[in-house]
Amino acid sequence: DGGITQSPKYLFRKEGQNVTLSCEQNLNHDAMYWYRQDPGQGLRLIYYSQIVNDFQKGDIAEGYSVSREKKESFPLTVTSAQKNPTAFYLCASSPRTGLDEQYFGPGTRLTVT
Amino acid sequence: SQQGEEDPQALSIQEGENATMNCSYKTSINNLQWYRQNSGRGLVHLILIRSNEREKHSGRLRVTLDTSKKSSSLLITASRAADTASYFCATGGAQKLVFGQGTRLTINP
Repeated sequence: DGGITQSPKYLFRKEGQNVTLSCEQNLNHDAMYWYRQDPGQGLRLIYYSQIVNDFQKGDIAEGYSVSREKKESFPLTVTSAQKNPTAFYLCASSPRTGLDEQYFGPGTRLTVT
Repeated sequence: SQQGEEDPQALSIQEGENATMNCSYKTSINNLQWYRQNSGRGLVHLILIRSNEREKHSGRLRVTLDTSKKSSSLLITASRAADTASYFCATGGAQKLVFGQGTRLTINP
């Protein structure tokens, strides 16, 4: 059963704590992406990776960090430096990069209080 | 940076009617894609149209692309209650997609 998984579905944290969101894909895709979605808004790109051990900042990378040590995995850490971390986070992958359709995970809703 | 802008922001129609959503963008593109998002879920890819194509069909979906006007439209024919969702256009460049703000479509029974 191929696809993208994100865990957990809901995550609650106290202000000042770092938190890591998981994203795994078994589609053998080279490219992976992290987006942030705020209520009633579109998606904003946080980070993307076109290949293992390489990643680039998106439009709103401040306060976030990523790693891409394995092709299947692209975890996102929301650090305490992120001023407004409460949001819906979506992970996606594609065979290559902007030329291909993206496959999305179910999302993680992060609430920081 | 948001490139695509959808219009209208919200659309409410009766079941069985057709729904049309529009997307405008600013810079040159390789392709334009449409996605659907049900409330609280991930996005699902609907259709991709390349910059050298003018029209594409997939089931009840029809997408047009006018590169001279930098605009695209998504037509859903014979709408169903299950079509209720948010619809996003995304413009494809060399490395990434840029998503618009979306159109919230409600199909009333």
